Amino acid sequence: DIVVTQSPLSLPVTPGEPASISCRSSESLVHINGNNYLDWYLQKPGQSPQVLIYMGSNRASGVPDRFSGSGSGTDFTLKISRVEAEDVGIYYCMQTRQSRTFGQGTKVEIK
Amino acid sequence: QVQLQESGPGLVKPSETLSLTCTVSGGSISPYYWSWVRQPPGKGLEWIGYIYYSGNTNYNPSLRSRLFLSVDTSKNQFSLSLTSVTAADTAVYYCARLSSSSPNYYYYIGVWGKGTSVTVSS
Repeated sequence: DIVVTQSPLSLPVTPGEPASISCRSSESLVHINGNNYLDWYLQKPGQSPQVLIYMGSNRASGVPDRFSGSGSGTDFTLKISRVEAEDVGIYYCMQTRQSRTFGQGTKVEIK
Repeated sequence: QVQLQESGPGLVKPSETLSLTCTVSGGSISPYYWSWVRQPPGKGLEWIGYIYYSGNTNYNPSLRSRLFLSVDTSKNQFSLSLTSVTAADTAVYYCARLSSSSPNYYYYIGVWGKGTSVTVSS
């Protein structure tokens, strides 16, 4: 089974400053087609999760461009260029290369 | 805009079967993939499985022996059945629709229901 590990698990952020979350996989998430099979989701307080990034680096429709995904193979990063107050919540990465597995989640909160 | 609504008992006894239904409104159940995800209290997300509108399924290996997903296109609904439940199955259960990217036909969870809380307790 592919294990996905996120870090940090807690991330205090300052509005206007950048932030990044790491996601590491126990196996390569590169598909035979060359694409990375990893998504990022945000669960805001009291809400259902919502997709931010799919296939490693593709921003989902309606997602602000301050969010970006990068990485390949086993190491991935979600970056927020300038954090806004509405970005607080728990961020999850999820691998889709073999079945589907979520990371443990990273709680982002305002300092 | 498609909306999803989970329904089912909020309390299930240990060793019994947990059954939930997701009703799709504002869109057709075909030709999409439909998924279930759960979240134990205070914990992270766990993928349960997905089903294609035609009935093809893909289950979380850790739940496969107890899980059955089904779809009813005439009612625009899909369902989850989890047998022999224990307290560890206590969670908020979300139904969701997979969205696809073109031209790669890559599927991600694009639409989520609001979730329904299920407690396993005698």
